[in-house]
Amino acid sequence: GAGVSQSPSNKVTEKGKDVELRCDPISGHTALYWYRQSLGQGLEFLIYFQGNSAPDKSGLPSDRFSAERTGGSVSTLTIQRTQQEDSAVYLCASSLSSYNSPLHFGNGTRLTVT
Amino acid sequence: AQSVAQPEDQVNVAEGNPLTVKCTYSVSGNPYLFWYVQYPNRGLQFLLKYITGDNLVKGSYGFEAEFNKSQTSFHLKKPSALVSDSALYFCAVSHRDDKIIFGKGTRLHILP
Repeated sequence: GAGVSQSPSNKVTEKGKDVELRCDPISGHTALYWYRQSLGQGLEFLIYFQGNSAPDKSGLPSDRFSAERTGGSVSTLTIQRTQQEDSAVYLCASSLSSYNSPLHFGNGTRLTVT
Repeated sequence: AQSVAQPEDQVNVAEGNPLTVKCTYSVSGNPYLFWYVQYPNRGLQFLLKYITGDNLVKGSYGFEAEFNKSQTSFHLKKPSALVSDSALYFCAVSHRDDKIIFGKGTRLHILP
């Protein structure tokens, strides 16, 4: 079946521009995560959606970052006024529940801020 | 809040030798523990998980991990390493109703 889909796969943007990254989770998965992977920094938690509960935004690094999940399915991560330190691979993952089900990862969006 | 540590950035093992990739965690209450693998130019894949029960869990590709509550560890092991096991390995922890947190990753090099 279809896995987690992320778009675009690559994004190059100029410093100061806004970007939107999209994630289509596996159908029926109630939990959705966004992580950021930078060289040598591992997987940094950004935000977590679980069903209709309020999202856990505790990992968002600044107020330039926001995310929403519409209709319990597709999610969009928005970065406003991008900075060079935002360059990273942004990974989306979904799972059937939240805390004890394996995560299914997308292939990520590689963001480069010039 | 939960946290997870992978104390080794890189582990080198000769092919055919046993391998261990270390992971320790901190969580209030009973942990849920996971290992994931990232092969070069490929997405992250689930290897195995510990939720409850037997402390030794078996996963994909011949890997296993041992949950040790007293040492708060969940080390990944394999009896005989293959060159194809070379990859980036991530340990992760969660707790009931809370998010899944990953470690910084350990790069495993299997030397032919």
